[in-house]
Amino acid sequence: DGGITQSPKYLFRKEGQNVTLSCEQNLNHDAMYWYRQDPGQGLRLIYYSQIVNDFQKGDIAEGYSVSREKKESFPLTVTSAQKNPTAFYLCASSIEHRGSEAFFGQGTRLTVV
Amino acid sequence: SQKIEQNSEALNIQEGKTATLTCNYTNYSPAYLQWYRQDPGRGPVFLLLIRENEKEKRKERLKVTFDTTLKQSLFHITASQPADSATYLCALDAGFQKLVFGTGTRLLVSP
Repeated sequence: DGGITQSPKYLFRKEGQNVTLSCEQNLNHDAMYWYRQDPGQGLRLIYYSQIVNDFQKGDIAEGYSVSREKKESFPLTVTSAQKNPTAFYLCASSIEHRGSEAFFGQGTRLTVV
Repeated sequence: SQKIEQNSEALNIQEGKTATLTCNYTNYSPAYLQWYRQDPGRGPVFLLLIRENEKEKRKERLKVTFDTTLKQSLFHITASQPADSATYLCALDAGFQKLVFGTGTRLLVSP
């Protein structure tokens, strides 16, 4: 059963701690994305990767880091430098072809207290 | 600056009517534009794609238009149903496989 899996669904962390969100896909997609969504808002692009061992900053990369060591995996670390980390985080993947649809995971809701 | 704008206010319509949602963009030259549906607490789901050389695309009760001169896409749902109630997001190609999204418009279809 192919798809894209994010874990955990809910995550609570104390202020000042780094936290890593998991994203795994078994769709054999080259491109992967991380978005952030705040209440009542659209999706804002944090980082994206077109191929293994390469990634680019999106529009709001400050305070975040990623790695792409394997095609299937694109973990996102929310660092203590991110001023307002509480949000809904969405991971997506697509084939490496312009116009191909993005498949999304179910999201991780991160709350920093 | 680059922007993708959708109506931030919710669109309320009656069942059976046609819903029309707007997506306007500035300082982009997208090769394509996509529309997604998002239900509360879930990830978006792809609905339709339209390319820059296409004026209109249809899929069942859905229709999308793309006007590169006006820098606008319109998304229509005909014979709307309460089950169509959701947030609808447009997304466009910002180059190099970079996919950027609009703010989304919430649609409420009442029986």
